[in-house]
Amino acid sequence: SQQGEEDPQALSIQEGENATMNCSYKTSINNLQWYRQNSGRGLVHLILIRSNEREKHSGRLRVTLDTSKKSSSLLITASRAADTASYFCATDPIIQGAQKLVFGQGTRLTINP
Amino acid sequence: DTEVTQTPKHLVMGMTNKKSLKCEQHMGHRAMYWYKQKAKKPPELMFVYSYEKLSINESVPSRFSPECPNSSLLNLHLHALQPEDSALYLCASSPVPMAGGPYEQYFGPGTRLTVT
Repeated sequence: SQQGEEDPQALSIQEGENATMNCSYKTSINNLQWYRQNSGRGLVHLILIRSNEREKHSGRLRVTLDTSKKSSSLLITASRAADTASYFCATDPIIQGAQKLVFGQGTRLTINP
Repeated sequence: DTEVTQTPKHLVMGMTNKKSLKCEQHMGHRAMYWYKQKAKKPPELMFVYSYEKLSINESVPSRFSPECPNSSLLNLHLHALQPEDSALYLCASSPVPMAGGPYEQYFGPGTRLTVT
């Protein structure tokens, strides 16, 4: 079963606006990652935040992590048409001897020009 | 070279066919993964190979048979598939995680499989 739930499932905004996506998960994690997927293509890693970090920035991306609430958010500032894609959070549950990512349901982001 | 390649890009096969998907990376990663992704759904892990040995099988039906012939190659052999197996099959690679250390996965573009 999927560990992560993302909110909203779909988001449509105007170019230049900020986009915020949320992710919740169920079990303790080592770290949380965000990936982007353009339609029908492979996933591209965006940013990784460790379980002992609260906020991380990379260019126009800002990720927060609240382990007490088991939630994370991804903020994309000054959105561009090229940001149109599906965004997935991925957690690696602390499971002895395993190395696996569990993906959330994803948010489909559409940037309107 | 940070690329993961997958062949073929598209595959149509009948339920009695045998086919194989191929994945290759030259980043020196010793962990490789197969995922299945249905439309508008997240990727679901199928198999994990670590140092060329199968470390995780997520209860995948035996009609899917993975193989890791060397540290750069990963195959997925398909036999007697069902129409519901139609999906995007993604390969990924990463360094082998150490003691919970973080790692990112590098994904290939996927093979779009249609079973008729």
